Amino acid sequence: AQRVTQPEKLLSVFKGAPVELKCNYSYSGSPELFWYVQYSRQRLQLLLRHISRESIKGFTADLNKGETSFHLKKPFAQEEDSAMYYCALRSNDYKLSFGAGTTVTVRA
Amino acid sequence: SAVISQKPSRDICQRGTSLTIQCQVDSQVTMMFWYRQQPGQSLTLIATANQGSEATYESGFVIDKFPISRPNLTFSTLTVSNMSPEDSSIYLCSVSPGVTDTQYFGPGTRLTVL
Repeated sequence: AQRVTQPEKLLSVFKGAPVELKCNYSYSGSPELFWYVQYSRQRLQLLLRHISRESIKGFTADLNKGETSFHLKKPFAQEEDSAMYYCALRSNDYKLSFGAGTTVTVRA
Repeated sequence: SAVISQKPSRDICQRGTSLTIQCQVDSQVTMMFWYRQQPGQSLTLIATANQGSEATYESGFVIDKFPISRPNLTFSTLTVSNMSPEDSSIYLCSVSPGVTDTQYFGPGTRLTVL
């Protein structure tokens, strides 16, 4: 069975500071990893997909199979990055498993 | 991306009653899913809604409690039956246009059971 762990429930950073959200996973097959974001009073939306290997809103995430991690990073946080972030794993049966989520607060 | 709507957006219900939540997509999609997000918790998959056949339920979820219909490739319903306060949650519909495509989420239905 797959498992996604986000160890930080809350993360507070100052505007302009780097931010890193941790995500570790366990899965016996070949995983597909995602980061979803939910801004206040908005629906859950896709932020990043590991196979795309692109930067969205300044965020990047690299899949490290050796460490079974998919940490989300941004070098300079902005106030509009304040949101709830979920790491998710899609297994071979196309089902998503979500981590517990990390609430990010960016302070001015 | 697919545009997904859910009805109702929220409801307050009495225990012992049932509520049916609708999910409508603006385009045909291959996969439709139903999730539950209990207060302060992450998302948990309830079931995969299969078009023209019975839904596939995850461990801990049963058809009698959460009957699901999917009559076509753009519409699905989830019923929460014989509700109790423990069923108070946000229920979310999600879709994938193709099997390997990204999952998109609806706005959710916030259910409160008194």
